[in-house]
Amino acid sequence: AQSVAQPEDQVNVAEGNPLTVKCTYSVSGNPYLFWYVQYPNRGLQFLLKYITGDNLVKGSYGFEAEFNKSQTSFHLKKPSALVSDSALYFCAVRDMINTPLVFGKGTRLSVIA
Amino acid sequence: KAGVTQTPRYLIKTRGQQVTLSCSPISGHRSVSWYQQTPGQGLQFLFEYFSETQRNKGNFPGRFSGRQFSNSRSEMNVSTLELGDSALYLCASSLATSGVTGELFFGEGSRLTVL
Repeated sequence: AQSVAQPEDQVNVAEGNPLTVKCTYSVSGNPYLFWYVQYPNRGLQFLLKYITGDNLVKGSYGFEAEFNKSQTSFHLKKPSALVSDSALYFCAVRDMINTPLVFGKGTRLSVIA
Repeated sequence: KAGVTQTPRYLIKTRGQQVTLSCSPISGHRSVSWYQQTPGQGLQFLFEYFSETQRNKGNFPGRFSGRQFSNSRSEMNVSTLELGDSALYLCASSLATSGVTGELFFGEGSRLTVL
């Protein structure tokens, strides 16, 4: 069965600094990986996904993620953090058609001015 | 295009009662999934419906049930509520042909508090 781990419950970063939110996955087949963001009292918003091809995926709001097959990781990155990036971030994976998208437990990002 | 709409947004129930939550997917989306979100457990998959049929089911007791109507709208029901059922219930829709690669589009959730 597929699974996702987000090893950090909380990440703190100063505004203007680069940020990284970590994600590792476990699947039996090819991984299809997603990042979502959740702002307070809101649903999840899609940021980006890796399906195939280039290991560096670019998404919404200046976020990007790097797929690393050997390390089974899909870390979310942004070159320069904004206070408005403060939110809860979820990594998710699916490896087979018509199976549920499995989410990690989430990482709370706090960007300090 | 309207997004995924969930009603009600907030509700308070007491132990032993039952609750029904509603979800209207994005127009044209035929798959609807439900997730339970709690601070300690993150997002846990409840079930997925496609064309009025339950396609997948998570590891929840039988008190949790759902259905999908011919217009793709979905409802989930929780009977005999327990304190531990307090959570944000999220509905998400996706295109029928999305397969493994399509993303889910989430509603804003229904926050259930059980007293």
